[in-house]
Amino acid sequence: DTGVSQNPRHKITKRGQNVTFRCDPISEHNRLYWYRQTLGQGPEFLTYFQNEAQLEKSRLLSDRFSAERPKGSFSTLEIQRTEQGDSAMYLCASSPDGGLANTGELFFGEGSRLTVL
Amino acid sequence: KQEVTQIPAALSVPEGENLVLNCSFTDSAIYNLQWFRQDPGKGLTSLLLIQSSQREQTSGRLNASLDKSSGRSTLYIAASQPGDSATYLCAVRHPGAGSYQLTFGKGTKLSVIP
Repeated sequence: DTGVSQNPRHKITKRGQNVTFRCDPISEHNRLYWYRQTLGQGPEFLTYFQNEAQLEKSRLLSDRFSAERPKGSFSTLEIQRTEQGDSAMYLCASSPDGGLANTGELFFGEGSRLTVL
Repeated sequence: KQEVTQIPAALSVPEGENLVLNCSFTDSAIYNLQWFRQDPGKGLTSLLLIQSSQREQTSGRLNASLDKSSGRSTLYIAASQPGDSATYLCAVRHPGAGSYQLTFGKGTKLSVIP
């Protein structure tokens, strides 16, 4: 399967602990996005990478959140000192870059569900 | 600020019925609009993408239309099946605070009754 892959699928942690999620985008997709979705809501944008450069960050991405994409391939999203309000589904998406291949269509992974106790 | 609204929030129909899901957005200056399906506890599956210059897109039993000037899109599902039961989300890509962001509605939860 060459779709967007996210790990772990579900993480349960205690308040104050750090967690890290990984996203492997579709091969050759230069653009990578992180979104957060809480119950009953649509996904909300967190951050965007083009290759290894983090070009956009939402105000939702507090100082406790950090995202990286060191080699322009997979990405990690780390949450430090987790709070109960961080409980959500963290979704990763990718899309191809520029030109005729870029219809602007985003392809999402299955998500990583975080539960903070 | 772009806002996306989906009505109704939930819809229940008998199997075989044709149905329409609605999506409206407040700012007509969009690049495209994308419809997604989400099963419980799962990620999003892209259904249809309509560019701002297009009026509609079709895939199988699905047809999505776009009226950019009025800020509306509809997703038409023909001959509904129990397997169509899911939450359907629409999202717009638009300029503003980050042209690579999608702004989503809250979704319509569809139940198709056998």
